[in-house]
Amino acid sequence: GDSVTQTEGLVTLTEGLPVMLNCTYQTIYSNPFLFWYVQHLNESPRLLLKSFTDNKRTEHQGFHATLHKSSSSFHLQKSSAQLSDSALYYCALKGGRALIFGTGTTVSVSP
Amino acid sequence: DTTVKQNPRYKLARVGKPVNLICSQTMNHDTMYWYQKKPNQAPKLLLFYYDKILNREADTFEKFQSSRPNNSFCSLYIGSAGLEYSAMYLCASSRVGGIDAEQFFGPGTRLTVL
Repeated sequence: GDSVTQTEGLVTLTEGLPVMLNCTYQTIYSNPFLFWYVQHLNESPRLLLKSFTDNKRTEHQGFHATLHKSSSSFHLQKSSAQLSDSALYYCALKGGRALIFGTGTTVSVSP
Repeated sequence: DTTVKQNPRYKLARVGKPVNLICSQTMNHDTMYWYQKKPNQAPKLLLFYYDKILNREADTFEKFQSSRPNNSFCSLYIGSAGLEYSAMYLCASSRVGGIDAEQFFGPGTRLTVL
């Protein structure tokens, strides 16, 4: 079945440094949608980015990701982390009716 | 208002007792979802309502029930709670319109079964 893999459980970094969160997926669908959701402490998960188009960069709120179907990847990046980026980040896939989540990556940004 | 509300936020239940969790949204979304989230695991879809049609995942078919009395409300019902039901339960809603439809999530209900 479909699956999403996020290899890092926890990423700790200093404010101002770049962030990259890995996401790879497996799916039977040829045209899946990939999503990044972010959940701040005591808040609900909310959509950060989504993409359907191969090799096209998608940006929002300083974050960007590019869907690469050749490598089944949708890594999330930001050039300079801020304290407010500390949160739980989920990569998710939708090819059919269900949204399939990865296990999530917790990002902790310190001064 | 793009909020999804869940009640209660915390629920303590005894083994063998029923549990009923409530979710509401005022965005007139036609689809509402329930996910189960356990520590160090991905949120897992349990079921969803598209309008009045209930769709349950095959591996959780017999463990969870749901009802949707109107467009705004959706419940998740456990007839007899077991220890394995302890988890965070997330409700979400979306306006169907394609597989890219954004899901809006509630804050979750943390269920602890003792």
